[in-house]
Amino acid sequence: KQEVTQIPAALSVPEGENLVLNCSFTDSAIYNLQWFRQDPGKGLTSLLLIQSSQREQTSGRLNASLDKSSGRSTLYIAASQPGDSATYLCAVRPRNTDKLIFGTGTRLQVFP
Amino acid sequence: DAGVIQSPRHEVTEMGQEVTLRCKPISGHDYLFWYRQTMMRGLELLIYFNNNVPIDDSGMPEDRFSAKMPNASFSTLKIQPSEPRDSAVYFCASSPDRRDIQYFGAGTRLSVL
Repeated sequence: KQEVTQIPAALSVPEGENLVLNCSFTDSAIYNLQWFRQDPGKGLTSLLLIQSSQREQTSGRLNASLDKSSGRSTLYIAASQPGDSATYLCAVRPRNTDKLIFGTGTRLQVFP
Repeated sequence: DAGVIQSPRHEVTEMGQEVTLRCKPISGHDYLFWYRQTMMRGLELLIYFNNNVPIDDSGMPEDRFSAKMPNASFSTLKIQPSEPRDSAVYFCASSPDRRDIQYFGAGTRLSVL
């Protein structure tokens, strides 16, 4: 059974720092991996999607990497801003299904 | 497009009552997903549809839960009878293709007293 874990569960940093959020999964047979952002009381917004054949994806200050063999993905946030404060969730799509299996999330707070 | 639209945004009901949550997916999206989010269990997939057909309902917790998609632009999730442990935020998401990202609605916060 696929399990997805995110570390740390919470993170508080000053503005301007570069951050790394971690996601690990137990079964490397995945179709793709997605990183989402969730603001309090809101739905999820997709940030990056990495197909299983890819190693990384970039969007602005965000860079996500995927190492399928080791069951890990990282989300790198450069020059963090208070507006980046949110919960970040990773989700994997196992190869044999259309489902997404979500991690427990990392709650990020960036203070001025 | 206005995105995935869910209604109501908040629902407060008493134990034993029937609850119906509604979702309008993004036009042209062939996949629709219903999720539940709680503090204890995080985000869990309840059921998903492809071209209005339920594909996997293994996440539906009990027979009290049912979901329908009568057409490509509308889906409902019904709980009958509701119980306090059903209190959660319920999300609907849609996707154009199984390989593509999922677009989430704002969710319905359900409180069962």
